[in-house]
Amino acid sequence: GENVEQHPSTLSVQEGDSAVIKCTYSDSASNYFPWYKQELGKRPQLIIDIRSNVGEKKDQRIAVTLNKTAKHFSLHITETQPEDSAVYFCGAGGFKTIFGAGTRLFVKA
Amino acid sequence: NAGVTQTPKFQVLKTGQSMTLQCAQDMNHEYMSWYRQDPGMGLRLIHYSVGAGITDQGEVPNGYNVSRSTTEDFPLRLLSAAPSQTSVYFCASSYSGGENEKLFFGSGTQLSVL
Repeated sequence: GENVEQHPSTLSVQEGDSAVIKCTYSDSASNYFPWYKQELGKRPQLIIDIRSNVGEKKDQRIAVTLNKTAKHFSLHITETQPEDSAVYFCGAGGFKTIFGAGTRLFVKA
Repeated sequence: NAGVTQTPKFQVLKTGQSMTLQCAQDMNHEYMSWYRQDPGMGLRLIHYSVGAGITDQGEVPNGYNVSRSTTEDFPLRLLSAAPSQTSVYFCASSYSGGENEKLFFGSGTQLSVL
């Protein structure tokens, strides 16, 4: 079955800096890769996703890149703000998404 | 639309007790799934369903049962609760077909097994 690994587990950045979270997946048949943000005590919510026929997707300060050959995808957050502080999960798959273990992002004001 | 509704929000059980976590969605989604969230381990898939009458196992199905008699409801049953099942449980649904496979999560159930 699918296995998703996510790094780092914790990331601390200064406000205004960029943050990068990296994930790898094992199943070459996977074709949908979402990223979810979870604030403390809240439910996970989708922030961006990418399909395997696309190499990069951007939405304002958030971008995701995908390298199908290497089975690797990354989340990039530019100009970080304190409200970006949360746990971020990468995943592979749609209705039966397999998630990475999560990255706790701290943005210091 | 209420989206995905989970009940109860909190539950404390004794070892060996059974209970059902309820999940309902009003978005006419075909796909529904259950996840458990433990510190440092992310969200792990327990069971999922691709439609009424069809269910399958996820990553960590042992100790849990599911059924899907209607499109709207997808209850999760703990047969004989164990302390290892202490976790936060999330139900999710998603639209079938098209480019958008986004998961809509419920607000979660915090379960403690003593």
